[in-house]
Amino acid sequence: DVKVTQSSRYLVKRTGEKVFLECVQDMDHENMFWYRQDPGLGLRLIYFSYDVKMKEKGDIPEGYSVSREKKERFSLILESASTNQTSMYLCASSTDSYDEQYFGPGTRLTVT
Amino acid sequence: DQQVKQNSPSLSVQEGRISILNCDYTNSMFDYFLWYKKYPAEGPTFLISISSIKDKNEDGRFTVFLNKSAKHLSLHIVPSQPGDSAVYFCAASDSGGGADGLTFGKGTHLIIQP
Repeated sequence: DVKVTQSSRYLVKRTGEKVFLECVQDMDHENMFWYRQDPGLGLRLIYFSYDVKMKEKGDIPEGYSVSREKKERFSLILESASTNQTSMYLCASSTDSYDEQYFGPGTRLTVT
Repeated sequence: DQQVKQNSPSLSVQEGRISILNCDYTNSMFDYFLWYKKYPAEGPTFLISISSIKDKNEDGRFTVFLNKSAKHLSLHIVPSQPGDSAVYFCAASDSGGGADGLTFGKGTHLIIQP
């Protein structure tokens, strides 16, 4: 079974803090993705990576950065957290970029 | 501009009846379509997919229909069960389009009533 794990299920941070969200997959997938899910807005792609050290902007990259130093790990970084970044963050991985993505359980981030 | 649209934010269906969730797309390059199911506080899980070379794919209680000329797909759940209550996301991709991944709709919240 494919497993995608995220470092935290719930996280509370203060405005201005630097926040790291970690994602690890165990299926040797080339592609990894970060989304945020907000009510009424569905899943919006923040960043994705199709190889180690490679990254591509998604639809809403502003205020975020990513790091992929190892194939199995993809980190999302909020350089200076703001209240409008309060959301559910979902990591996913896939073998082919167009194919089925496997999602982690999500991190509910609250920025106060 | 939304390329994948799920126009019904919610849908209520009686247990045992058929649930039909609809999805429209605008990008004619999309050739692979997927449905995901999501419970609160969990990540989405893959349900069923269909390639544009087919017009129907069935897996147990779940069937996806694709109408390419109308750029429309639908997910049928028969019979509907209480555990089917969840948010359903439609997603699409262009298999020859590079590493852009999936484009998701905004989701439909399906509520199965006893």
